[in-house]
Amino acid sequence: GENVEQHPSTLSVQEGDSAVIKCTYSDSASNYFPWYKQELGKRPQLIIDIRSNVGEKKDQRIAVTLNKTAKHFSLHITETQPEDSAVYFCAANYNQGGKLIFGQGTELSVKP
Amino acid sequence: GAGVSQTPSNKVTEKGKYVELRCDPISGHTALYWYRQSLGQGPEFLIYFQGTGAADDSGLPNDRFFAVRPEGSVSTLKIQRTERGDSAVYLCASSPSQGLYEQYFGPGTRLTVT
Repeated sequence: GENVEQHPSTLSVQEGDSAVIKCTYSDSASNYFPWYKQELGKRPQLIIDIRSNVGEKKDQRIAVTLNKTAKHFSLHITETQPEDSAVYFCAANYNQGGKLIFGQGTELSVKP
Repeated sequence: GAGVSQTPSNKVTEKGKYVELRCDPISGHTALYWYRQSLGQGPEFLIYFQGTGAADDSGLPNDRFFAVRPEGSVSTLKIQRTERGDSAVYLCASSPSQGLYEQYFGPGTRLTVT
């Protein structure tokens, strides 16, 4: 089947704290896992992605981890800032192709 | 360089009418994707093209929806006999090729069926 579950649906943190968003996927053939940030009324913006041949990838304050055995992947944001407030979506590709299956989204609120 | 563009940005139509939504991908990108997004939901896959051909159209909800990409660049999503349930933001994305490549989204077309 094609399914990506994302948790939590909402997340509120204090500025400077860390935020973690978790996703699970069902297609064992998935090998590409992007994360998108979407501000209200704007397009989804790719912030980081990971391919199945690595377990972790980091870009400044953002990191993603992948556990293929458990079919889990997570987004970690450190030293959060108010401008990190947005809806974050995880996704997994279907059957090693271009079709992306998205999670339901996490609304992150960073309070100053 | 220029990103993915979509026109119109907003479209209001009456139930039963026909609409066309246009997507201009990033120059040189061979793969083009259509998704739609309802309020509070993640994007939902509709169809994607590799070049001129539809590589996967498994997300088209029914035969009222059709998409073309005749020259391997611009794509048009066509919806016949629109229904109120078709109201959503229709997003287009492009990538250098299909598979393990980043997909970059356009701003979307907000379709409202009254």
